[in-house]
Amino acid sequence: NAGVTQTPKFRILKIGQSMTLQCTQDMNHNYMYWYRQDPGMGLKLIYYSVGAGITDKGEVPNGYNVSRSTTEDFPLRLELAAPSQTSVYFCASSYDQREASSNEQFFGPGTRLTVL
Amino acid sequence: GQQLNQSPQSMFIQEGEDVSMNCTSSSIFNTWLWYKQDPGEGPVLLIALYKAGELTSNGRLTAQFGITRKDSFLNISASIPSDVGIYFCAGQLSNDMRFGAGTRLTVKP
Repeated sequence: NAGVTQTPKFRILKIGQSMTLQCTQDMNHNYMYWYRQDPGMGLKLIYYSVGAGITDKGEVPNGYNVSRSTTEDFPLRLELAAPSQTSVYFCASSYDQREASSNEQFFGPGTRLTVL
Repeated sequence: GQQLNQSPQSMFIQEGEDVSMNCTSSSIFNTWLWYKQDPGEGPVLLIALYKAGELTSNGRLTAQFGITRKDSFLNISASIPSDVGIYFCAGQLSNDMRFGAGTRLTVKP
């Protein structure tokens, strides 16, 4: 298994540009998540999905959109990039968040985004 | 929202020393998790705790879920150079997971 893969690894955007961060998992996990990690900080949840066709806001959803058309893919969309969105973005997946023993989240390697 | 306070922010220790770090919260969690993050990579789960009072070990790592459900600690015994990294606590309640700001560990040979 490749686990959780993210593309691109790095990206520089100009203010107002849009882009999609890709995330794919091949572990047949139901739950998928997007986090952002700012320097010296922990991860903050942007959006999550409990299954195909279902998405929910996390702690910091403003400025982002997600979709979950398949179990494997969970892209994150930035429509109008702003400097405040400069961060490292991590995608994660887990089998079932409701089952305590199955809620280990597996993280991708991250996408480092800079908005200038 | 729920905030996690993780301490210390950073630690510089000699190889072979023991390490202790902890997380506290004003809110309760059903699950406490400890992750390690190496530079340029995503966090990797070290230990998961599911019951208040639970004490769990994973090799040289030991973690406990506080009895009040508002805190957790992680101990690393006999540190080695590859323990270097950032350690994050995370508390989970239903679908919501909150992370601490991390403890940056440096191990001097």
